[in-house]
Amino acid sequence: NAGVTQTPKFQVLKTGQSMTLQCAQDMNHNSMYWYRQDPGMGLRLIYYSASEGTTDKGEVPNGYNVSRLNKREFSLRLESAAPSQTSVYFCASSVTGGVQPQHFGDGTRLSIL
Amino acid sequence: SQQGEEDPQALSIQEGENATMNCSYKTSINNLQWYRQNSGRGLVHLILIRSNEREKHSGRLRVTLDTSKKSSSLLITASRAADTASYFCATDDSSASKIIFGSGTRLSIRP
Repeated sequence: NAGVTQTPKFQVLKTGQSMTLQCAQDMNHNSMYWYRQDPGMGLRLIYYSASEGTTDKGEVPNGYNVSRLNKREFSLRLESAAPSQTSVYFCASSVTGGVQPQHFGDGTRLSIL
Repeated sequence: SQQGEEDPQALSIQEGENATMNCSYKTSINNLQWYRQNSGRGLVHLILIRSNEREKHSGRLRVTLDTSKKSSSLLITASRAADTASYFCATDDSSASKIIFGSGTRLSIRP
């Protein structure tokens, strides 16, 4: 059982480049989330999708866009990468939104030079 | 924004000892969750305690919740090397539509 799969695992970009982080879950979960984790700051929510066809901003959405492609897949796009977006990005899913336990992927480590 | 704050930020104990981590939050919650994160991995859900519960057990884990003090504690008994990880509490936000993570406690178990 794969759970939540994120690709790529590592990426180095130059300032101004764009890229899309991919996330897929095979647990038939309705809700999906994108977080970033910076040293000493815990996880901060970027965007979430409570159900297929809906997306909402989280705490730190600026500089990012998302697409809930279908029930399984939720992608995060950086249109013009900035050094401040250097971070570890985690995708998560849960059965429903709100207070349900979340299942996490192993992250994408992104460096912006 | 509402957030759980863990204390201490870092904890180092001898294998076999008990480890206690605390989480404080600011406003009323519906439930509180604890997660573990091993180095280089994603978070793993450990336990969820609802606001009407005071204590919950799962194996060597014991979680307490004191809503009057807006605090929770996670106790790991008889620690093992494999317990070395960061531990995060998470509380639901005011709309109960999503959860907010604290900054975590880094636990190191010395052999």
